Amino acid sequence: KAGVTQTPRYLIKTRGQQVTLSCSPISGHRSVSWYQQTPGQGLQFLFEYFSETQRNKGNFPGRFSGRQFSNSRSEMNVSTLELGDSALYLCASSPRDPGVGDEQYFGPGTRLTVT
Amino acid sequence: AQTVTQSQPEMSVQEAETVTLSCTYDTSENNYYLFWYKQPPSRQMILVIRQEAYKQQNATENRFSVNFQKAAKSFSLKISDSQLGDTAMYFCAFILEYGNKLVFGAGTILRVKS
Repeated sequence: KAGVTQTPRYLIKTRGQQVTLSCSPISGHRSVSWYQQTPGQGLQFLFEYFSETQRNKGNFPGRFSGRQFSNSRSEMNVSTLELGDSALYLCASSPRDPGVGDEQYFGPGTRLTVT
Repeated sequence: AQTVTQSQPEMSVQEAETVTLSCTYDTSENNYYLFWYKQPPSRQMILVIRQEAYKQQNATENRFSVNFQKAAKSFSLKISDSQLGDTAMYFCAFILEYGNKLVFGAGTILRVKS
């Protein structure tokens, strides 16, 4: 099976712009989660989607949004980019509800740089 | 709120030796799952080992084992016969049963020296 894929892998944007990141989970996986990784804040939970429904959102401003499509692919959008949004954005998928202890399989990440 | 603390920012170990990474967590819940993830320089997060809180038996996975002390809320990772390929950042993580978000510690950078 192919692993979790994320596109693009690298992105450079300017402050004030918006960006859309994409995540394709492992085939058959229904849950997709997003995490932001920065040197200062570490790994922080952004959102989790299951069967197209956002079930949980982390403590991020409304500029961060996401969605999941019927094929389980997910996108996240960040509007009005700020320098502090520079980070590695990781997507993870799991076959069932993450709360049953299944492994979450991570993608390689999208490195976003905001200048 | 659930928190995970990794008190060792960096550690080093000689090849073939044993090293233990520490992790403590805080929760008032009784049922949850604990994980150790490895993130090598490639940035690809890889699951190393998982533990169900309701199981008293410590999980093992080849050279990797954990010491799970539920009462003390401690979940340390022991790596035996360390290899150069074990060089990575190691994250301890926690998820509540029926929860839907992993809570990560700050990570421990492990360097294996030849």
